[in-house]
Amino acid sequence: AQKVTQAQTEISVVEKEDVTLDCVYETRDTTYYLFWYKQPPSGELVFLIRRNSFDEQNEISGRYSWNFQKSTSSFNFTITASQVVDSAVYFCALSEGNRDDKIIFGKGTRLHILP
Amino acid sequence: AAGVIQSPRHLIKEKRETATLKCYPIPRHDTVYWYQQGPGQDPQFLISFYEKMQSDKGSIPDRFSAQQFSDYHSELNMSSLELGDSALYFCASRATSGGQRTQYFGPGTRLLVL
Repeated sequence: AQKVTQAQTEISVVEKEDVTLDCVYETRDTTYYLFWYKQPPSGELVFLIRRNSFDEQNEISGRYSWNFQKSTSSFNFTITASQVVDSAVYFCALSEGNRDDKIIFGKGTRLHILP
Repeated sequence: AAGVIQSPRHLIKEKRETATLKCYPIPRHDTVYWYQQGPGQDPQFLISFYEKMQSDKGSIPDRFSAQQFSDYHSELNMSSLELGDSALYFCASRATSGGQRTQYFGPGTRLLVL
């Protein structure tokens, strides 16, 4: 069965600090897709990144970076030089490679960036 | 760029009433998904449609039904509403052509059952 675990329920950091959000996943499929979504206080779900199981290349996008490691089934997300606007709930998510590709979300990490 | 459109954005109903939520996918997206997010919870998959046929079903109550129409928009019909149905309902869409796997979410419909 597929499962996503975000062990950090809530994190608070001071603005400009770096912060890493952890994500560990479980799946029996060899082909799967990992996602990070951001949910700001307004409630919408904003897509941040998708990673395919066959592509372990890490990625950097501005202040955001992602570290995908199949050996430890982890897909961690780092925000560098955090800003108050980064305050949100961040969901790590997984979908398997078959046709029925529903997304399974982790419980989310609520991130507070303090000014 | 066009996004997923959901209507209404907010809805207040009484117990035992019915509600219909609508979703208009991104143009040329052929697959639609519905998710329910309770307060303080993660989104939970309800049901999905591909080319107007139901493709997968999650923890959707029997009181709920959904369909996808010829123009690819989808409607989630909820009957005999209960207090526990109060939640944020998201619709997401994706294009299956080209190996696209990302689901793009609409802004959600916030349903409050009194």
